[in-house]
Amino acid sequence: QKEVEQDPGPLSVPEGAIVSLNCTYSNSAFQYFMWYRQYSRKGPELLMYTYSSGNKEDGRFTAQVDKSSKYISLFIRDSQPSDSATYLCAMSGQAGTALIFGKGTTLSVSS
Amino acid sequence: GAVVSQHPSWVICKSGTSVKIECRSLDFQATTMFWYRQFPKQSLMLMATSNEGSKATYEQGVEKDKFLINHASLTLSTLTVTSAHPEDSSFYICSARDTQGDEKLFFGSGTQLSVL
Repeated sequence: QKEVEQDPGPLSVPEGAIVSLNCTYSNSAFQYFMWYRQYSRKGPELLMYTYSSGNKEDGRFTAQVDKSSKYISLFIRDSQPSDSATYLCAMSGQAGTALIFGKGTTLSVSS
Repeated sequence: GAVVSQHPSWVICKSGTSVKIECRSLDFQATTMFWYRQFPKQSLMLMATSNEGSKATYEQGVEKDKFLINHASLTLSTLTVTSAHPEDSSFYICSARDTQGDEKLFFGSGTQLSVL
């Protein structure tokens, strides 16, 4: 079993839809959770950062972490064509260590 | 967020030559930088952890003599692909974490290496 599992999609939705992206993980020591957005041939851009469990909201984006289920989610409300990109979940256990990434989910929002 | 600058963004080279990629943290100091590699439609794979003033730590399966990493200052790390071959063609991305900040990791824009 891989440390971080993420459905690669692709996921296609109409403009205005609510998008749900998810990752599962196996290492119970993970406590830092991040979501990145990556456009083709560009470096990942940090969207959301969460420490331990709970929810975090930033504009149209909401991140949720359920450590008991080893499951994290990213919700995008009122999705826009500009949201079309690959979304990567990432996590780590110890402070100062490298992030472990999911495979990324490719999202396409049509107008 | 913090800015990480990576150059060049695209390089084409002949087989057998060496290529140097630079990664700079522009508005913060980074004791540690990370180098990742990404193949098309694949996730980011950690290659090595670069520590300022000391030797880099390489992940299993990554040849340290082929991928030379230097982290001479708190704002600059370089990756040199020595004697590049076509199988080294990939997207290389550096990342850095603010020494004075939290666990957020910021990425450069990536370097697409094509070895002919």
